[in-house]
Amino acid sequence: EAGVAQSPRYKIIEKRQSVAFWCNPISGHATLYWYQQILGQGPKLLIQFQNNGVVDDSQLPKDRFSAERLKGVDSTLKIQPAKLEDSAVYLCASSRGQGEGYTFGSGTRLTVV
Amino acid sequence: GENVEQHPSTLSVQEGDSAVIKCTYSDSASNYFPWYKQELGKRPQLIIDIRSNVGEKKDQRIAVTLNKTAKHFSLHITETQPEDSAVYFCAASRVGGFKTIFGAGTRLFVKA
Repeated sequence: EAGVAQSPRYKIIEKRQSVAFWCNPISGHATLYWYQQILGQGPKLLIQFQNNGVVDDSQLPKDRFSAERLKGVDSTLKIQPAKLEDSAVYLCASSRGQGEGYTFGSGTRLTVV
Repeated sequence: GENVEQHPSTLSVQEGDSAVIKCTYSDSASNYFPWYKQELGKRPQLIIDIRSNVGEKKDQRIAVTLNKTAKHFSLHITETQPEDSAVYFCAASRVGGFKTIFGAGTRLFVKA
């Protein structure tokens, strides 16, 4: 099966600029996740979708981050405006159902300067 | 809130030796425990998982054990090889539930 597709792979922006990431999950996977992984740390869940509904966004900094999953398939994560501390790898993952094993995408490495 | 503690944070072994990584979870309703391997600069990949209805699962050189009473589970890697060097993450969740909690990770070094 095809993996989880993410783009772009790398992005460098200045602070206060905006950025958007895109994710296309494995076909048939109802659950989609966005994680933030800061260098040397474990993945931190930002938002979880079940189909096109938000299940958990308790750790999403909603003043600057937003995400959507229209039609229950691909998803976009946006940061506006970016801060230096947003520099991280943003990983998208999907699973057949909630609480099951994930397949991660390759991630987007964001550097905010 | 729910928590998963993972130990050790760093583990160094000689090639051919065994490595053991332990995790403890707090949510007694957790029933699914995956392990992910993340090589430097790459995505985390699921390497093995266990559900709460079994106590042990093996896949070649890796195995996972689960003690539901004590709420801990462990990853065992035998005959370690340099390519086993990576960061390993444990996680706990409820199938059908909505939250997967990750451990902080263990950086494993296998010395040739």
